[in-house]
Amino acid sequence: KAGVTQTPRYLIKTRGQQVTLSCSPISGHRSVSWYQQTPGQGLQFLFEYFSETQRNKGNFPGRFSGRQFSNSRSEMNVSTLELGDSALYLCASSLNYGTSGSYEQYFGPGTRLTVT
Amino acid sequence: KNEVEQSPQNLTAQEGEFITINCSYSVGISALHWLQQHPGGGIVSLFMLSSGKKKHGRLIATINIQEKHSSLHITASHPRDSAVYICAAPRDTGNQFYFGTGTSLTVIP
Repeated sequence: KAGVTQTPRYLIKTRGQQVTLSCSPISGHRSVSWYQQTPGQGLQFLFEYFSETQRNKGNFPGRFSGRQFSNSRSEMNVSTLELGDSALYLCASSLNYGTSGSYEQYFGPGTRLTVT
Repeated sequence: KNEVEQSPQNLTAQEGEFITINCSYSVGISALHWLQQHPGGGIVSLFMLSSGKKKHGRLIATINIQEKHSSLHITASHPRDSAVYICAAPRDTGNQFYFGTGTSLTVIP
């Protein structure tokens, strides 16, 4: 079974631009979560989607948004990029949506975004 | 105060050594997750455990729910074990987590 895939793997943008990142979950997985990882802040939760609905959102500004399609693929968008948005963006898929992290998460390889 | 604390932050070991990484958490959880991140960024879920002990190859994870403490052990460490190990405690809903800051392990041949 293919793993979680993310595209693109690397991206360079300039301040003020917007960017869209894509995540394809493992076949059959219905929940997709997004994370931002920076050297200073570590791993931080962005949002989680299940059945095309955002179920949870982390503490990020409205410039960060996402969506999920009927085939469970997900995209996240960052508008008006800032230098501080430079990070590794990881998505993870889970079989289902549950409580208290009851489902194992499978991570994609990440998209490394550099904002100049 | 962080909900999940890991120690040590950095660890250097000789090949073959027995390694222990500790994780303490302050939130009530039903299961704790251990993750491994290699240079380059990819994260692999190693264990999800709610009680006792789990073993996978040379990796062993233990948890004491009453004491809110978990340990990850690596027996007969190898340079390919060099990675960042992260423990994660789930929040109340969904699949989101409180993450530890990670332990960077380097195993020297």
